[in-house]
Amino acid sequence: DAGVTQSPTHLIKTRGQQVTLRCSPKSGHDTVSWYQQALGQGPQFIFQYYEEEERQRGNFPDRFSGHQYPNYSSELNVNALLLGDSALYLCASSLDRGWKEQYFGPGTRLTVT
Amino acid sequence: AQSVTQPDIHITVSEGASLELRCNYSYGATPYLFWYVQSPGQGLQLLLKYFSGDTLVQGIKGFEAEFKRSQSSFNLRKPSVHWSDAAEYFCAVGVLLSGGYNKLIFGAGTRLAVHP
Repeated sequence: DAGVTQSPTHLIKTRGQQVTLRCSPKSGHDTVSWYQQALGQGPQFIFQYYEEEERQRGNFPDRFSGHQYPNYSSELNVNALLLGDSALYLCASSLDRGWKEQYFGPGTRLTVT
Repeated sequence: AQSVTQPDIHITVSEGASLELRCNYSYGATPYLFWYVQSPGQGLQLLLKYFSGDTLVQGIKGFEAEFKRSQSSFNLRKPSVHWSDAAEYFCAVGVLLSGGYNKLIFGAGTRLAVHP
């Protein structure tokens, strides 16, 4: 049983560019949450997707957007990249909005130059 | 506002020694508490969780944690540390949002180094 997978593993972008990160949840999970982990800090909640809609959002600007597909996989899009967007982006999956067990993927390391 | 504080940024212990990592939370309702471990270049792995009931919870890899409501704490312990335990440890509180949705609020983490 595959766990949560994310792609790509690493990514280097230039300021002002746009990026798309991808996440496949654990088999059977229908809820996907995205977190940003800056260097030396704990993860911070970006948003949560359930039934193909953004249901909850953390304190992140509209440059951060996402999508969830019918197969529950998800994308995180960041527009107009800033140097401060450099971070590890973590995807977590769970069942039925549940948070009693969130499974995290290995993350995508984004570097903005 | 909800928050999690991990007072120790770095901790170094000798292999075989006992370990305690501190975590304090601020949350108005009944807290749902978690400890995660992150090895270099890896995602987060759940060590243990507390929802209700027995305040001493057992987790994987020989870890345990004790919930103390009066102290708003959820400290992680291990009686004998192994070199493979060197990693970053995150304490988190689950925050219930409207519509039954939720998010995790994490502390800044404690980096554990283990001396042979």
